[in-house]
Amino acid sequence: GQNIDQPTEMTATEGAIVQINCTYQTSGFNGLFWYQQHAGEAPTFLSYNVLDGLEEKGRFSSFLSRSKGYSYLLLKELQMKDSASYLCAVRDTGGFKTIFGAGTRLFVKA
Amino acid sequence: SQTIHQWPATLVQPVGSPLSLECTVEGTSNPNLYWYRQAAGRGLQLLFYSVGIGQISSEVPQNLSASRPQDRQFILSSKKLLLSDSGFYLCVGSVNTEAFFGQGTRLTVV
Repeated sequence: GQNIDQPTEMTATEGAIVQINCTYQTSGFNGLFWYQQHAGEAPTFLSYNVLDGLEEKGRFSSFLSRSKGYSYLLLKELQMKDSASYLCAVRDTGGFKTIFGAGTRLFVKA
Repeated sequence: SQTIHQWPATLVQPVGSPLSLECTVEGTSNPNLYWYRQAAGRGLQLLFYSVGIGQISSEVPQNLSASRPQDRQFILSSKKLLLSDSGFYLCVGSVNTEAFFGQGTRLTVV
């Protein structure tokens, strides 16, 4: 079966660093995505990993370990506007289906 | 760049009424297209995906159906809505590693 797990909620302080974990069990793997979604809006793309290792993009970094079925999204220098849901998504081998996790709601407090 | 136009943005429909949500794609051809539903506080659930005209794969048994009459047109339909069909519906397109999202339709069945 297909399963993607991420924590339901996290809280962090403005200026701090937060790591959002994602584990997956899928029938195939052709890339892992992280998206940010503000309430009532469509998700926006943050990162894409297909090979093991760390991808850095400004304040956001994403890590992948295919052998462990594990990824994390790292957010540095948190800002209030980073309060949102963060979705982990895995695309299957054929590249046709993308399965989303339930998302992690991040609350950034002052 | 690729964009998806999805309408309407909000919709209130009575139980038992029909549904038709439409999305159209601009800026690319032959995309993979997807309909996702997001229930309140939950992740994106894949409903249908299409790799080409007339090709529809259903992921979850339900009273919804999808059609792709043209390469850049994807339609989600129902003959009779249920209360449980309420949610946020997203049309998503994908070309290679990129995914692009419509703005979503918030459907409330009353």
